[in-house]
Amino acid sequence: RKEVEQDPGPFNVPEGATVAFNCTYSNSASQSFFWYRQDCRKEPKLLMSVYSSGNEDGRFTAQLNRASQYISLLIRDSKLSDSATYLCVAQRTSGYSTLTFGKGTMLLVSP
Amino acid sequence: DVKVTQSSRYLVKRTGEKVFLECVQDMDHENMFWYRQDPGLGLRLIYFSYDVKMKEKGDIPEGYSVSREKKERFSLILESASTNQTSMYLCATLGPGSGNQPQHFGDGTRLSIL
Repeated sequence: RKEVEQDPGPFNVPEGATVAFNCTYSNSASQSFFWYRQDCRKEPKLLMSVYSSGNEDGRFTAQLNRASQYISLLIRDSKLSDSATYLCVAQRTSGYSTLTFGKGTMLLVSP
Repeated sequence: DVKVTQSSRYLVKRTGEKVFLECVQDMDHENMFWYRQDPGLGLRLIYFSYDVKMKEKGDIPEGYSVSREKKERFSLILESASTNQTSMYLCATLGPGSGNQPQHFGDGTRLSIL
């Protein structure tokens, strides 16, 4: 079983739609979680951290369910500029701090 | 803002060459990482370093080595380049502190081995 799994998509949505991505992780030692955004042929950039209590940043909401070992990202009122690949990331912080990346979910927002 | 600079955006080398990819960061971060990213495989960790002269193997270290002589610089070395090492290479850094510290990436180097 892969450590971090995501639906690769693509998710095709119209502008203004609400879209949700889920991600599961298998390593219960993972302690911190992030969503990164990666545009085509660019480096990944941090979108937001994911906190146990859930957190929101504008149109983006992230949730973490430790019992079920999944993370979600909700994007409301999608914009054309949201088109990208979204990477779910789990970080193990005991011992060496390393990140495990999911393969990403592609989002395509159309006019 | 953290700045992570990779020496080349695009690089073309020949099979058997020794290839150096350089990464420099300006934030005094202890931890530095080298990944490669391939279609359908996502980011895979090659090596990381948590201090000067220290290094640890990641998930796919074969065919690579690294050097960390100074805190700000982490070099990835392809000892004898092969075509299956054609890939996008990404360097990242991580500052101190426990938990909820994201990694910061360089722009990436697209390496082609002919």
